[in-house]
Amino acid sequence: DIQMTQSPSTLSASAGDRVTITCRASQNIGSWLAWYQQKPGKAPKVVIYMASSLESGVPSRFSGSGSGTEFTLTISSLQPEDVATYYCQEYISNTFGQGTKLEI
Amino acid sequence: QVQLVQSGAEVKKPGASVKVSCKASGYTFTSYYVHWVRQAPGQGLEWMGIINPSGGSTSYRQKFQGRVTMTRDTSTSTVYMELSSLRSEDTAVYYCARARIAVYSDLQHWGQGTLVTVSS
Repeated sequence: DIQMTQSPSTLSASAGDRVTITCRASQNIGSWLAWYQQKPGKAPKVVIYMASSLESGVPSRFSGSGSGTEFTLTISSLQPEDVATYYCQEYISNTFGQGTKLEI
Repeated sequence: QVQLVQSGAEVKKPGASVKVSCKASGYTFTSYYVHWVRQAPGQGLEWMGIINPSGGSTSYRQKFQGRVTMTRDTSTSTVYMELSSLRSEDTAVYYCARARIAVYSDLQHWGQGTLVTVSS
């Protein structure tokens, strides 16, 4: 299976900050990568798919980039409602990263 | 709108089996693959497998081979995930999720989750 290494595991930032989460794949996955946001007690919600496509209804402060083995999720100006755990997922063998807990 | 509604919470004894249902609505049931993902308490997401509701073909993560069975009923637009030989480590919230497109796809729509507790 493909291994997904996500960093950092915890990220503390202030409202208005630009934050970046990184995901590294153990082999080339092209652009087959999604980012999910999960709030406590809720199902995950996709925010970015195909590495850089913004899901409908997701604020434009979210963006994704990368291809091959290195990917990033960026929130350009952190808002209180963005507090959540974020997961990357490659969808060749469907492995998730271990998650990044984002705090304000 | 697309909805995936899962069955309610279950409590099972070690060694037993559990069958979780996921009823789909708001789209053509046979046109989109459905995945199952689980999340142990305080842990991350773990992909379990995928079913093609059209023909019923499945693919399971190797870890679950021999213990998991995914099926579907096209007459009721429902997919099922059965996990056998339960152990305490199977205590988790189990989610069904619908793919955006065909095989290689993110998970665009999710069920609300079903808590399965395995305890003697």
